[in-house]
Amino acid sequence: DTGVSQNPRHKITKRGQNVTFRCDPISEHNRLYWYRQTLGQGPEFLTYFQNEAQLEKSRLLSDRFSAERPKGSFSTLEIQRTEQGDSAMYLCASSKNSETQYFGPGTRLLVL
Amino acid sequence: QQPVQSPQAVILREGEDAVINCSSSKALYSVHWYRQKHGEAPVFLMILLKGGEQKGHEKISASFNEKKQQSSLYLTASQLSYSGTYFCGTEEGGGNKLTFGTGTQLKVEL
Repeated sequence: DTGVSQNPRHKITKRGQNVTFRCDPISEHNRLYWYRQTLGQGPEFLTYFQNEAQLEKSRLLSDRFSAERPKGSFSTLEIQRTEQGDSAMYLCASSKNSETQYFGPGTRLLVL
Repeated sequence: QQPVQSPQAVILREGEDAVINCSSSKALYSVHWYRQKHGEAPVFLMILLKGGEQKGHEKISASFNEKKQQSSLYLTASQLSYSGTYFCGTEEGGGNKLTFGTGTQLKVEL
């Protein structure tokens, strides 16, 4: 396994701009999760997919956030009209069914 | 509500032992333990399932008390590489969505 990969690793944007992050899970992992982590805190669940179906979304995920996993492989997380409060590390994890979740390196977002 | 971990921080001399506790107010299906170093992704340590046995490998082991909704991580003969922030992630059932605890910062010194 090559592990979970995420791109970009860092993103600086101006308030009001849209950003999109990509996550490539471990091959054959059917579940994919998005978490957000701010400094000094543990990761907070945002949403997860089983194959291409988005099964759960956190109340943290406002209407400005959208996630897709069109073919059940990679996933994208888009944030529209970014706000300074969106600045955080966005982590992706994948698992095979309900087994261990393996995390990617994350995308660090800074909104100016 | 997120699980509460204790202690918040601990400093050890190399070779010393430590226990990190994770307590939830909700009935749990499983507890997952991760270690995270600064600027890096969380790294999986172990998973404890409801009805399962205490797990461990080498010098790191963990237990899960289902009745009390508590889990403990045991680090023995600590090494410098053990330094980092430890998080427990709890699962209440279904979907494997994890709720992470408040974190425990562990530093191992010579």
